[in-house]
Amino acid sequence: AQSVTQLGSHVSVSEGALVLLRCNYSSSVPPYLFWYVQYPNQGLQLLLKYTSAATLVKGINGFEAEFKKSETSFHLTKPSAHMSDAAEYFCAVARGTGGGNKLTFGTGTQLKVEL
Amino acid sequence: DTAVSQTPKYLVTQMGNDKSIKCEQNLGHDTMYWYKQDSKKFLKIMFSYNNKELIINETVPNRFSPKSPDKAHLNLHINSLELGDSAVYFCASSQGGLAGYNEQFFGPGTRLTVL
Repeated sequence: AQSVTQLGSHVSVSEGALVLLRCNYSSSVPPYLFWYVQYPNQGLQLLLKYTSAATLVKGINGFEAEFKKSETSFHLTKPSAHMSDAAEYFCAVARGTGGGNKLTFGTGTQLKVEL
Repeated sequence: DTAVSQTPKYLVTQMGNDKSIKCEQNLGHDTMYWYKQDSKKFLKIMFSYNNKELIINETVPNRFSPKSPDKAHLNLHINSLELGDSAVYFCASSQGGLAGYNEQFFGPGTRLTVL
C-alpha cells in the first residue's frame, strides 16, 4: 500500500523566509506525487506534481519540490514566504486505477506566515 | 466559469434524515470522485466513477450511495445521517486513463453538519 507522511502539522515562518514543508512517501513502485494547497474554506488546488520526468518540479506561486528516491522524500520549498501563502498544504501519492487515480493524502501541514 | 461545482455549500440537518449533495464538472473529464475531510482536515477518498462506472469504492458505510447520471455529474446520497457524518465533502474530477498522474480538480466543498 502507498502512503505519505507529512512531518510537522504546523509550520510557522516569517514573511520573506524560506518555506520548507516535509513529505516522505512509501511505495513499492515508482510513485506519482502531488502537492495540493487548501486556502481557508476552499477546495484543494494543485501546486505541483512529480511524474518521473524530472526530479526537480516547479509549481505555481513560486513553489518547487525535489524528488529524492534515496531519501523517499518530496519536500516542498519556496525561497521567500508571502503572507498569501498561509494555508493548509497536503502531500499525496497516486495510484492509477480503472481510468482514474486514487489519491492517498498525508495529514496536512498548516503554514502560518508572520510579519 | 466554475470548473467543478457542488450544491449545497452548507447543509445542516438532524440525525436520521436523508440528504443529497450534487456535483457537476464542465471540464469534459471522464472521472469524478468524492472525498471526505474530517474535523482534523484529514482527506480520504470515498468513491470514484469513470464514464458512469464505479471504479473506486472505499470502506464506506452503505448508507452512502453515489450516483452518476452522466460523466459530468456525480451525486452523493446519504441515508440515516449520523453525527459522525459531519464533515466537509469534496467532489473532484480528472481526465480518464490508466496512468495515475492526472491532476484532480476539486470543488469548493459541502460542509455537512448533523445535529
